Formats: sequence, structure tokens, C-alpha cells
Amino acid sequence: DSGVTQTPKHLITATGQRVTLRCSPRSGDLSVYWYQQSLDQGLQFLIQYYNGEERAKGNILERFSAQQFPDLHSELNLSSLELGDSALYFCASSPHGGEEQPQHFGDGTRLSIL
Amino acid sequence: AQKVTQAQTEISVVEKEDVTLDCVYETRDTTYYLFWYKQPPSGELVFLIRRNSFDEQNEISGRYSWNFQKSTSSFNFTITASQVVDSAVYFCALSEAWGGGGADGLTFGKGTHLIIQP
Repeated sequence: DSGVTQTPKHLITATGQRVTLRCSPRSGDLSVYWYQQSLDQGLQFLIQYYNGEERAKGNILERFSAQQFPDLHSELNLSSLELGDSALYFCASSPHGGEEQPQHFGDGTRLSIL
Repeated sequence: AQKVTQAQTEISVVEKEDVTLDCVYETRDTTYYLFWYKQPPSGELVFLIRRNSFDEQNEISGRYSWNFQKSTSSFNFTITASQVVDSAVYFCALSEAWGGGGADGLTFGKGTHLIIQP
């Protein structure tokens, strides 16, 4: 158990819809990362937050947005969903967001778009 | 731009054999960090090891060992006396130091699917 909690574990929805994925980091970790894992693209970094502020952006689509709340949990919002958004979405956390710090991953949310 | 290549898409060995997973990376930074993660069939990603660019010492942890060679930009992972429970997808990842111009997220290779047959 990594200590990172992601909900829900599975999500099934239709094209055009909007969903919210939730992540609680490990106790004491201030930085949260979001990744997308798909068959064609592999594991891709989406976005990072540190203590409530956006710190780095990766390959995140404009239809996607995220935030980190004062209690440090984070939410990833996906809107106008397309079939290609079907993927496993991971949240990870680290103490201070430094490059040297291992990121510990949650179990992921599997999103299926019908 | 940083890049991680895991050329072996899938490896299948019989239990108790030794197996090496290859990882080659590209980066312009002199300070960077390399990681290995394991993704078992259940789907979670499990951190295995971190190595910084200034430490080329090999590391051994039980049946696992890692060989970091800056001269060839490689960070290979060897499992000795493999077991069925080692069956998983293994990912190599790279992180560059802050200020290097890249995102702070990890850059992952495509992964190597390791199958250990009983």
C-alpha cells in the first residue's frame, strides 16, 4: 500500500461527458502528480501541484484541468470526453516535489468511454 | 528533450533463470535521476529504486541489482533466480533537475513485460 488513495477505481461514461477523479496523497506529502497510461501513448505526465499551486505541466489537454485543495487532495477534471480518453489515470505524490524524490503512485482510476 | 528507451517489449523466461531488463536514456542535463517501477498484473505502480547521475555504484537488493553506466547512458535491471511473482511490467523513468527546462514529471519508457514461467 503506497498510501496514495484514488477514487473511484473504475469509471464508465459516454462521449461528451465530464468526470472528476480524486486523489489523496500520502500523509505529509505536499506534491501531487497526475499521469495517464494508455496502450498507444504509454505513461505520460499530465500535471504537477505543490502545496496548492500548479508547478509543472506536461502533455495535458486543454479539456483537462486539475487543482489541489488546501487539505492537499487533488482532483483531475476531464471534460468533453472522447473515446481516446479511455485510459488508466494515476495520481502520485512526493514530499516536496523535487526531482530526486521518488513518486509513490495510487492504484489508478480506470476510465472507460463508451 | 529527455527520452527513455526500453527496447525489450516482452521477455519470457523459466523460473530460476536470471534476466536483465535494459534501459537507455537521453538527457542534456548533467544532474538527473533514474527510477525503476514495477506494475504487477493488479495494475498499481510500485517504486523499486532511484539512482542519481553522480552515483555510478551498482546496487543490489536481494535478488535485484541495478547497473548504471553513464558512458552508455544505460540503467539496466537484473533479477537473479527469477520467480513467478516477478512477472510484471517494469518501467524505467527519468527525471531532470529543477530548472532544466523540462517538467518535473517523470519521463517513462514504454515498459518491458516480463513473464516468468513455472
